[in-house]
This record gives sequence, structure tokens and C-alpha cells, in this order.
Amino acid sequence: NAGVTQTPKFQVLKTGQSMTLQCAQDMNHEYMSWYRQDPGMGLRLIHYSVGAGITDQGEVPNGYNVSRSTTEDFPLRLLSAAPSQTSVYFCASSYSQRGNTIYFGEGSWLTVV
Amino acid sequence: KQEVTQIPAALSVPEGENLVLNCSFTDSAIYNLQWFRQDPGKGLTSLLLIQSSQREQTSGRLNASLDKSSGRSTLYIAASQPGDSATYLCAVNTGNQFYFGTGTSLTVIP
Repeated sequence: NAGVTQTPKFQVLKTGQSMTLQCAQDMNHEYMSWYRQDPGMGLRLIHYSVGAGITDQGEVPNGYNVSRSTTEDFPLRLLSAAPSQTSVYFCASSYSQRGNTIYFGEGSWLTVV
Repeated sequence: KQEVTQIPAALSVPEGENLVLNCSFTDSAIYNLQWFRQDPGKGLTSLLLIQSSQREQTSGRLNASLDKSSGRSTLYIAASQPGDSATYLCAVNTGNQFYFGTGTSLTVIP
């Protein structure tokens, strides 16, 4: 059982470049989400999805896009990378939006230079 | 906006001690609260989930309590071991999202 799989693990981008962080889960979870973790600020929600075709913004959505074409996949796109987007990104999933354990991927370390 | 605070930010204890980690939140309108463990360079692993109607949950040497009305939760670790060294985070679920604390970094000294 793979759980939540994120790729890539590490990435260095130049300012202005775009890229996609991939996230896949094999638990048939409806709820998927992306967080960023910065020192001293905890995890902050970027975007989330409650099912295929349904996405919504979290606390810090600017500069990021998401889509959910299948239950399994929830990619996060950085449109034009900025140094402020240097962070650790975590994908997470849960059976539902409320009331269930949330499972995290291993994280993606992104540096924008 | 929900704010989650964890005190202390860091804690160092000798092996075998019992310890308590604290989590407080500002809005009591929550669905549940979860405690997580994060090892360096890794993702978060869920330890305990407490629904808003529950007072506590136990798993092995871990016991988590929830007092929703006062906005507090504690994670009790019994007979600590060096393998318990990690960062512990709490998160409250408001229905739309989880709000996380910044964590308590625990070091258990052999």
C-alpha cells in the first residue's frame, strides 16, 4: 500500500520558471490537499479538493494552480516561480473533509533561486 | 481565523520520563483534533485523532485529551524512549481545513 506519493522529492527552479508537483494516492480518498511548511509558520493550506472536478482555495493560494481530473491525482502547478515560494510542500489525503485521519506524503523540497 | 499554539517549542527529557505536550486553539467550533509526529526530512504521521464529541484517545504509550470548551488538548507520552525524539504537531479541523500548530521538538536523552 503506497499511501500518498509525491514527486519530485527535491527541485531547484529559477525565478519565473513553472513546474508541477505531482501527488497520487491509492486509498480512494475523496479529500486531497496541498500544504506548504515554512520555519516558524507551521503548515498552511494552499488548495484542496473534495472530489474529482472540485477544487477550492486555502489560506495561501496565490501563485499556485490545481486540478483534480481523477480521484487518485492532485497536481500542484507553480505558474511563475518566485523566491518566496521556496518551501517544503506536502500533499495530504483523507477519506472525507471532516472526521477522518489525514495521511501525508513525504514532502517535496523546492528552492527558487 | 483559527490560531493553534503549541508550548513549549522544544523539550528535552531523560529516557523513561513521562511528559505532556500542550496544544491550544482559539475557536472551539472544531470537528476533530489530530496529533502528528514528524521526523526530520519526512512527512507527518498521524498518531491520534480525537473527534469533537470525545474527551480522550489512547494508543499504546500515547494518550491525547481534548477540552473543546477551553480550547486545549494535551498529548501524554508515558515512559519516553529515544525513538520518541521527533517534532509533534497538533491540528484542528474546522470543516474547511486543518489548522496546524508550529510543533514541539522533543528530544529524549538516553
